[in-house]
Amino acid sequence: GESVGLHLPTLSVQEGDNSIINCAYSNSASDYFIWYKQESGKGPQFIIDIRSNMDKRQGQRVTVLLNKTVKHLSLQIAATQPGDSAVYFCAENSGNTPLVFGKGTRLSVIA
Amino acid sequence: KAGVTQTPRYLIKTRGQQVTLSCSPISGHRSVSWYQQTPGQGLQFLFEYFSETQRNKGNFPGRFSGRQFSNSRSEMNVSTLELGDSALYLCASSPHRLAGGYEQYFGPGTRLTVT
Repeated sequence: GESVGLHLPTLSVQEGDNSIINCAYSNSASDYFIWYKQESGKGPQFIIDIRSNMDKRQGQRVTVLLNKTVKHLSLQIAATQPGDSAVYFCAENSGNTPLVFGKGTRLSVIA
Repeated sequence: KAGVTQTPRYLIKTRGQQVTLSCSPISGHRSVSWYQQTPGQGLQFLFEYFSETQRNKGNFPGRFSGRQFSNSRSEMNVSTLELGDSALYLCASSPHRLAGGYEQYFGPGTRLTVT
């Protein structure tokens, strides 16, 4: 499969446990944030997004938390499954700027 | 709805050659963005096209260019290929411009190898 990052930080989680993937951003003007999941050999797939007027948003088994004070974003995955193994990217933008992607975190689920 | 399609999926070119990659967005989507993905640099924005006009451009040399057709299909071209251009090139479409922040839908990518 595709190697999207040879030296990505890796999070190893036991199947069934909750996962928390963190992302720090630098642009205090960013007002839109998005998480993507990329499996080997595939393009990034949308997971969940959040705008800066919110600090929490929930989806199916996923929650995104936004802390604008410290410019931190996190993705929580409940009851992690083997199919959740992938590289996860956060991205941000503001106004007319294109999305800026983080380097990614590799999630490895141990069955 | 069919997803974003990219052709070809794999390509091998020689240094100095040029290459054209194609992207068909989701039906009804007018915005197409291109990204370069490498292990060292991650996902980097190349450019965005909306209604056949380039709306945003990333920090890449002029060897990288693109265009969008009236049916929203897009092509990107890389001239005078260099070894460092080896990467996965991803296309993403959206019904809206990137301005204001909207979800993009990515294609599977074209893996370009320059030898």
